[in-house]
Amino acid sequence: AQSVAQPEDQVNVAEGNPLTVKCTYSVSGNPYLFWYVQYPNRGLQFLLKYITGDNLVKGSYGFEAEFNKSQTSFHLKKPSALVSDSALYFCAVSGFSGSARQLTFGSGTQLTVLP
Amino acid sequence: DSGVTQTPKHLITATGQRVTLRCSPRSGDLSVYWYQQSLDQGLQFLIQYYNGEERAKGNILERFSAQQFPDLHSELNLSSLELGDSALYFCASSVDPGRHNEQFFGPGTRLTVL
Repeated sequence: AQSVAQPEDQVNVAEGNPLTVKCTYSVSGNPYLFWYVQYPNRGLQFLLKYITGDNLVKGSYGFEAEFNKSQTSFHLKKPSALVSDSALYFCAVSGFSGSARQLTFGSGTQLTVLP
Repeated sequence: DSGVTQTPKHLITATGQRVTLRCSPRSGDLSVYWYQQSLDQGLQFLIQYYNGEERAKGNILERFSAQQFPDLHSELNLSSLELGDSALYFCASSVDPGRHNEQFFGPGTRLTVL
């Protein structure tokens, strides 16, 4: 079975500074990894995914993620944080459960960008 | 706006009751997923349907059931409700569950069981 760990419940960063939200995964076979963001009282929004190819994946709103196979990590990054980036971020891995593929989500990291 | 719609937005009911949550997927998406989000359990996958057929089951209780209709909308039925069933219930859809396509989430239904 696949799993995802987000070791930090809360990340605080000053506006304009770079941000990193950490994610490590465990899955049999090739990893297919996703990042989603959830704003208050909203559903999850897709940010980016890694399926294959370049280890640096670029996504929406200036976010990118770095896939590291040896460290089984998929950290989310942004060079310069905005106050509007404050939200709950989820990492997810796609893997088989029985005969069907499904997403397994991490516990989420609350990002707060301070003005 | 993801294109996935869910009704109702809020639902308040009493223990022991039964409720039905409704989801309409994005146009063209054949696969529908249901998730439960609570403070203590996080985001939990419940069940998946593809083109009317059940595809995968996650941590779904026997008191809960779902179906996907020929027009591809889906309903999640929750019965004999308990206080612990209070949560946000999300529906998501994707084109094809086998191709690592991202899932698009609806705004959710907030269920409160009193």
